[in-house]
Amino acid sequence: EIVLTQSPATLSLSPGERATLSCRASQSVGSALAWYQHKPGQAPRLLIFDASYRATGIPARFSGSGSGTDFTLTISSLEPEDFAVYYCQHRNNWPLTFGGGTKVEIK
Amino acid sequence: EVQLLESGGGLVQPGGSLRLSCAASGFTFSNYVLTWVRQAPGKGLEWVSGIVNNGAGTFYADSVKGRFTISRDNSKNTLYMQMNSLRAEDTALYYCVKGRDSSNWFGDYWGQGTLVTVFS
Repeated sequence: EIVLTQSPATLSLSPGERATLSCRASQSVGSALAWYQHKPGQAPRLLIFDASYRATGIPARFSGSGSGTDFTLTISSLEPEDFAVYYCQHRNNWPLTFGGGTKVEIK
Repeated sequence: EVQLLESGGGLVQPGGSLRLSCAASGFTFSNYVLTWVRQAPGKGLEWVSGIVNNGAGTFYADSVKGRFTISRDNSKNTLYMQMNSLRAEDTALYYCVKGRDSSNWFGDYWGQGTLVTVFS
């Protein structure tokens, strides 16, 4: 099973600041990695798929990069609605797994 | 508009069974892979199971293998999860998730979830 480790667990930032979230895989997943945003009481939302492609309707301030075992989600300038928990997920092999999440909170 | 509506959750004692359903609309159901993802109270997301578009291939997390069975009825646009031998650790909100296409398992649409509570 591929283990995805996200860091940091919590990121305290102010609106307008840049957020950099990390996801590290225990073995290579190529580019088969996605990022999701999850807010309380809502369904998760797909932000980035296949490492760097923005999903439909996702603002350009969200970008993904990386390949192999190290991936990054960058939010260039945080908007008030971006404070949430972010998860990475791979689809390289079975079982698919999620990382433990990074909470982006208001400083 | 894509819609995924889960049902079938509820309260059940350890060792009991439940059958979750997910009624889909707004897309050609038989063209997409589907998954179940759960979130236990206060915990992160956990992938549970997936099924290919024609139902011929199914996949499970080790934590549910042998107890849960995923299936789909493409004529009814409905996804199912038969959950047997339920344990306290299966308590969670269960989401039905549509894949991006017939081979891309990343979820581009999610339902609102159905709550399963296993209590003694």
